[in-house]
Amino acid sequence: DGGITQSPKYLFRKEGQNVTLSCEQNLNHDAMYWYRQDPGQGLRLIYYSQIVNDFQKGDIAEGYSVSREKKESFPLTVTSAQKNPTAFYLCASSIQGQDEKLFFGSGTQLSVL
Amino acid sequence: GENVEQHPSTLSVQEGDSAVIKCTYSDSASNYFPWYKQELGKRPQLIIDIRSNVGEKKDQRIAVTLNKTAKHFSLHITETQPEDSAVYFCAAIPGGSYIPTFGRGTSLIVHP
Repeated sequence: DGGITQSPKYLFRKEGQNVTLSCEQNLNHDAMYWYRQDPGQGLRLIYYSQIVNDFQKGDIAEGYSVSREKKESFPLTVTSAQKNPTAFYLCASSIQGQDEKLFFGSGTQLSVL
Repeated sequence: GENVEQHPSTLSVQEGDSAVIKCTYSDSASNYFPWYKQELGKRPQLIIDIRSNVGEKKDQRIAVTLNKTAKHFSLHITETQPEDSAVYFCAAIPGGSYIPTFGRGTSLIVHP
């Protein structure tokens, strides 16, 4: 199961609370992505990063924040401003510039208490 | 930006039948079209892809066709088996970009 690791597998958020989802990869990939998966909605892009210390908003960035301080790590924070955070979150990585193929983590299911 | 439509949302077939999933895209600059399979509770994984300079690609029981003029591409699975049951996502990536736009997914159910 190596390559790209997400934790935790399940996460619960209380109202008004920020929570952080972890994503780590040892594939030496330049690009990393966060997707949100809701039933019937496909995979929607939250944020992506093509290089350390740089990241861009995706289609549904409101209520989320990210950082990319290390090549291997791309954590996602779900802030209290995200009013409907219950979803399955997938992190992915790719070899930017050579291959557009995405390698996905196993996901984090976030639920609201 | 790119918009990808995928149909059907659910597809139910008998074991041994063929299954076809269709996608359309809007950006004529898109030149790479991957397909991902997500089994229940697991991560999506790339199963086949096609580039815009090719009309068809096969890998054992799966094939993908691309019609650039009509801006649509399809996944074909022959001799379906219960282990083919999963959600399948198509995606399109414009030239010069590495950011895929995904379709909404097709839930394929193969009945034994």
